[in-house]
Amino acid sequence: DVKVTQSSRYLVKRTGEKVFLECVQDMDHENMFWYRQDPGLGLRLIYFSYDVKMKEKGDIPEGYSVSREKKERFSLILESASTNQTSMYLCASIFQTGQGRTDTQYFGPGTRLTVL
Amino acid sequence: AQKVTQAQTEISVVEKEDVTLDCVYETRDTTYYLFWYKQPPSGELVFLIRRNSFDEQNEISGRYSWNFQKSTSSFNFTITASQVVDSAVYFCALSGMNTGFQKLVFGTGTRLLVSP
Repeated sequence: DVKVTQSSRYLVKRTGEKVFLECVQDMDHENMFWYRQDPGLGLRLIYFSYDVKMKEKGDIPEGYSVSREKKERFSLILESASTNQTSMYLCASIFQTGQGRTDTQYFGPGTRLTVL
Repeated sequence: AQKVTQAQTEISVVEKEDVTLDCVYETRDTTYYLFWYKQPPSGELVFLIRRNSFDEQNEISGRYSWNFQKSTSSFNFTITASQVVDSAVYFCALSGMNTGFQKLVFGTGTRLLVSP
């Protein structure tokens, strides 16, 4: 079974703190993703990575950065947390298929971040 | 642009009722994939089904069935004889050539409440 783990289920931080959310997958997937989930908005893509040290902005990258130093680990960084970043954060990974095809994204359990 | 619409925000049923969750999508791609995920209260998104645009056959898996109709751009999900364990938020998602296949566009989700 694919296993995607996230470092924390619940996190409480203060405005202005630097926050690291860690995600690890054990299936040697090339592609990894960070989403945030908010009521009424569904899941929105923040950043994704298709290889070590490679990254691309998603739909809402402002206020976030990412790091991928190893294939199995993808970190989301909030340089200076703000209250509007209070949300559920979900990590996902997927096997890189050939052109014109896709596999299934597998998700971690999520981190519910509260910024006070 | 790609878009997924789940017009039903919340549905409440009593156990053993059948329930259909609607999903309407928009895409200009000729090749695309559609997905359904379940998010139970624990938070993790659980993959249910993936269907590509060339396969319009309906699918049944136990109490779950999916009706894919390209003519109406819909990919609806029916649960037969619902159970309390079916209570969750259900997301429909789309990926296509326009988004590199690896990225998912999600609907806003439908919360299903099944009461005993």
